[in-house]
Amino acid sequence: GAVVSQHPSRVICKSGTSVKIECRSLDFQATTMFWYRQFPKQSLMLMATSNEGSKATYEQGVEKDKFLINHASLTLSTLTVTSAHPEDSSFYICSAREESTNYGYTFGSGTRLTVV
Amino acid sequence: GQNIDQPTEMTATEGAIVQINCTYQTSGFNGLFWYQQHAGEAPTFLSYNVLDGLEEKGRFSSFLSRSKGYSYLLLKELQMKDSASYLCAVTHYNKLIFGAGTRLAVHP
Repeated sequence: GAVVSQHPSRVICKSGTSVKIECRSLDFQATTMFWYRQFPKQSLMLMATSNEGSKATYEQGVEKDKFLINHASLTLSTLTVTSAHPEDSSFYICSAREESTNYGYTFGSGTRLTVV
Repeated sequence: GQNIDQPTEMTATEGAIVQINCTYQTSGFNGLFWYQQHAGEAPTFLSYNVLDGLEEKGRFSSFLSRSKGYSYLLLKELQMKDSASYLCAVTHYNKLIFGAGTRLAVHP
């Protein structure tokens, strides 16, 4: 079945630094990937849709200059949290579309970001 | 916009049956998903409904009524390991939008 690998699983960074999270589709090509954020005891909130070879589409209220998304190949999308602040601490999860498995949506294992 | 409603919390007894409801309003609807999520982990796919009716898969069943914008997830023979959050998600064109989730606690 389709597998999405997400790294790192956990990261701690200092305020003001940037952190990059990678999302890879291991055995299929994903023209579209999605990035979600989840705060404790809340649901997954869609941040942006990552499109291979073009600019990402951000949801309302998500700062595109703070959350940089790059989808340079059909198997890799990256999310960079720039100038991180403690309020950016959250669980970030990516998802990729693959039509033959789970009706199209496969999730990475998530990244726990803590900004100190 | 999209609107997805499901109860915040539910409790049930081991061995019992529980039904988690979800109502939604969205454009570009293609189908409805149910996911299970344990704390700190990624969601796990449970079911997908695109047509009206009941889909049964072992102890879990899911129902959809497109005309009413309504779905439910039915969990039978509850086990302690079923304690988790259950997320209702609907498609909005090519995006998957999640409800707030229902935290289910199963007691002995």
